This record gives sequence, C-alpha cells and structure tokens, in this order.
Amino acid sequence: AQSVSQHNHHVILSEAASLELGCNYSYGGTVNLFWYVQYPGQHLQLLLKYFSGDPLVKGIKGFEAEFIKSKFSFNLRKPSVQWSDTAEYFCAVNRVNSGNTPLVFGKGTRLSVIA
Amino acid sequence: DAGVIQSPRHEVTEMGQEVTLRCKPISGHDYLFWYRQTMMRGLELLIYFNNNVPIDDSGMPEDRFSAKMPNASFSTLKIQPSEPRDSAVYFCASSLGQALADTQYFGPGTRLTVL
Repeated sequence: AQSVSQHNHHVILSEAASLELGCNYSYGGTVNLFWYVQYPGQHLQLLLKYFSGDPLVKGIKGFEAEFIKSKFSFNLRKPSVQWSDTAEYFCAVNRVNSGNTPLVFGKGTRLSVIA
Repeated sequence: DAGVIQSPRHEVTEMGQEVTLRCKPISGHDYLFWYRQTMMRGLELLIYFNNNVPIDDSGMPEDRFSAKMPNASFSTLKIQPSEPRDSAVYFCASSLGQALADTQYFGPGTRLTVL
C-alpha cells in the first residue's frame, strides 16, 4: 500500500530561521503531491501542489516545495519563518494511473515558531 | 461561498450511543470525502462519494460506521453504537472537477468524544 512519511513529528524554530520539512512517499509511479496546513483551531487548507512541470513549486505565504523524483521526496521549505507559521503541516500524495486514487496523507509535522 | 460546513463542531456522548455527523459540501463540488484524524493514526480517509455515489468505503473501520449522501448538498456519517476508540476529529472535504487530484476544501471538523 502506498504510504507517505513525514519524519519530523515536531519542529521548533526561532523566528527568521529557515525551515525544511521532509516528505517521502512509497509509490514508484506518477504522482500528484500536496502540502496542506492546519493552523491552530482551524481546518486544513492547501499550501501548494505539484502535478507536473517545474519540480520547484511556489505556494502561498512564501512556502515552496521541491519534487525530487529519484528520492521520492517533496520537501517543504521556507527561508525565514514567522510566528504565524506555527501550525501542523501535512504532506499528501495521490497516484496517477488509469484512474486517480484518493489522497494519502502523512501523519503531519507540528511546527512551533518561537520569538 | 461559506465553504464546507460541518455540524456539530463538538460532540460528547456515552459509549453505546448513536452519533450522527453532518456535512454540507461547497455547492457544485462533485466529490465529498470523510476523514478521521487521531494522534496515533493521523488523517485517514474513511469514505468518499462522487456525484452522491459512494465510490470507496474501504477506509471505514467497521460495520458500526455508515455514511450516506442523499443529495448533492448533504452527507452524514453515522456511528452506531459508538465506542471510546471512536474519539477523534472527523473532517469532511469536498472538491470540484473530474479528478481526485483537484484541491480538497476541508470543513472545520467535528471533535467527537465518546466516554
């Protein structure tokens, strides 16, 4: 079965530090890749997504992610985090074949940004 | 648009009671998804509908769980009888279009506590 791994359960950073959250998936075929964010007390919302083309994807709020097919990875990055980035971040993947499969989510990484 | 609407936002019930969670998707969206979020298992897809028809319910944990979508603007997830291990946050999401890769819009969730 396809799986999505987010290796960091909880990351704590100071404001202005750089961020990289890891995401790896197990499926070897063509995939669509997503990052969702859940701010405290709020629902999940899309941060960015990759379907095809440029493997470096720009999202909202200064986030970006790079798809590295050879590493089955889709890591999320931000050069300088803010306190307001405190949230839980979920990587999600779906397979593209004869019919798309539903999203499979990682378990999430909780980011705490401290002043 | 008001977004995906879920009710109730919080539900506390006793073991053995029936629980019904409700969802109103975004108007015009073809897909509706029910997820369960727990600390241990993360975000799990329970079931999804396309044009009101259940497509994949393989994620439904057991027969105590059932979901319906009687029309395009309403879906329910029912647990009968409920058990303490059902305690979780249940999210409904909807998406537009013909592909499962389309962005999913999540509701605020229902936090269920079974005593």
